[in-house]
Amino acid sequence: EAEVAQSPRYKITEKSQAVAFWCDPISGHATLYWYRQILGQGPELLVQFQDESVVDDSQLPKDRFSAERLKGVDSTLKIQPAELGDSAMYLCASSLVAGPKNTQYFGPGTRLTVL
Amino acid sequence: GDSVTQMEGPVTLSEEAFLTINCTYTATGYPSLFWYVQYPGEGLQLLLKATKADDKGSNKGFEATYRKETTSFHLEKGSVQVSDSAVYFCALSDPRNDMRFGAGTRLTVKP
Repeated sequence: EAEVAQSPRYKITEKSQAVAFWCDPISGHATLYWYRQILGQGPELLVQFQDESVVDDSQLPKDRFSAERLKGVDSTLKIQPAELGDSAMYLCASSLVAGPKNTQYFGPGTRLTVL
Repeated sequence: GDSVTQMEGPVTLSEEAFLTINCTYTATGYPSLFWYVQYPGEGLQLLLKATKADDKGSNKGFEATYRKETTSFHLEKGSVQVSDSAVYFCALSDPRNDMRFGAGTRLTVKP
């Protein structure tokens, strides 16, 4: 069964450093999402891509976060500089197309700890 | 905006007990509704979904019915197992496919 791949699974960094997370969606899935999940809470959307274009980044803290999906396949989420409050699980998801009936499939996540 | 409210946890049950986790939603349109499960240290896995009113989603003994009149999508299972211990998230998908998640309910099943 096809899965969403993410790496690394765990990342520990010091504040003010730069970090990057990678996501490879299920093959053929045009829509890709990055979520942040703070411990004890549900995931919250950071950014949504349709192919290589950003559809929604209204919740992305653009002063320090950036995301790209240059060829419309895999994607990178970057944080620079990292802050203590960025410690969370970062989840990537993909769906075949956008739309409420299309299921989002999630990767295993990257757990970020900022010291 | 659209939102989901789910029963606060944690929930602790004995094996073979009946499970209900309540979920209600607020939406302006006609969202799709989902239950996802998250095991420790892992991402979210789709458990079941329903895309229109009166639909029943079911999987692995879990089921939930989309109730438009009560704006609810309660998760039920007749006999839980220790392996069902996890965090369960109710979610809705709005017309843009933006997912809104509840806060999650942690279930612990004891032998």
